Amino acid sequence: AQSVTQLGSHVSVSEGALVLLRCNYSSSVPPYLFWYVQYPNQGLQLLLKYTSAATLVKGINGFEAEFKKSETSFHLTKPSAHMSDAAEYFCAVSLNSGYSTLTFGKGTMLLVSP
Amino acid sequence: EAGVAQSPRYKIIEKRQSVAFWCNPISGHATLYWYQQILGQGPKLLIQFQNNGVVDDSQLPKDRFSAERLKGVDSTLKIQPAKLEDSAVYLCASSSGGPWSSYNEQFFGPGTRLTVL
Repeated sequence: AQSVTQLGSHVSVSEGALVLLRCNYSSSVPPYLFWYVQYPNQGLQLLLKYTSAATLVKGINGFEAEFKKSETSFHLTKPSAHMSDAAEYFCAVSLNSGYSTLTFGKGTMLLVSP
Repeated sequence: EAGVAQSPRYKIIEKRQSVAFWCNPISGHATLYWYQQILGQGPKLLIQFQNNGVVDDSQLPKDRFSAERLKGVDSTLKIQPAKLEDSAVYLCASSSGGPWSSYNEQFFGPGTRLTVL
C-alpha cells in the first residue's frame, strides 16, 4: 500500500519569495510521484511527475521537484512566487509495479500576498 | 483538444433522494476514473474503468453508489439514496494508457459539487 503526507494545510508567501511545499511518501515498491494543482472551481492539472528517470523534475509554470529516496520526499519548489500561483496543490503517489491507482495527499493551499 | 466534460456543475438535493452525474472523457481515452473529493481532503478514487469494464471499484460504497460506462465512452455515476456525508465534489478523469500504465497523466474535469441537505 502507498500513502502521501503533505506537511502544512496552508502555506503563505510573499510575491517573489521562494515557494516550498512538502510531500513525503510511503511505498513498498519504487513509486511514481506527481504534483497536481487545483484552481478554485476547476479540476486538477498536472504540474510534474517523477517516473524513475531524472531525480530533479521540471514542470510547468516554473515549478520543479526533487525525488529523494533516502528521505522518502518529493518537495515542490519555485524560486519566485507569482500571484497567479495561489491555488491548492496535491501530491500523489502510484506504484511502479503493474496495476496501481493514484493516492493523493490532503493538499496544501498556497496563499500569495503582494 | 476538448477536455473532460462533466455535468451538472452543481447539485443540491435532500437526503434520501437520488442523483446522477455525467462524464464525457477526452476522445480516445480508454481509462476513466471517478473520484470523490470531500472538503479539505485530496481526491479518493471511487471506480476505474478500462473501456467499458470495471478495473477497480474497491472503494465504491456499492450499497448506494453505482457507475456505468456504456460503449466505453461516456460514464454516469449515481447515488441512491444520498446521505449527508456524500456532500463532496465528484471528479471525473481520463487517461490514454491502460490500467497498468500507472505513470500516465490523468486529465480531470471541473467536477460536480454535490450538497446534500
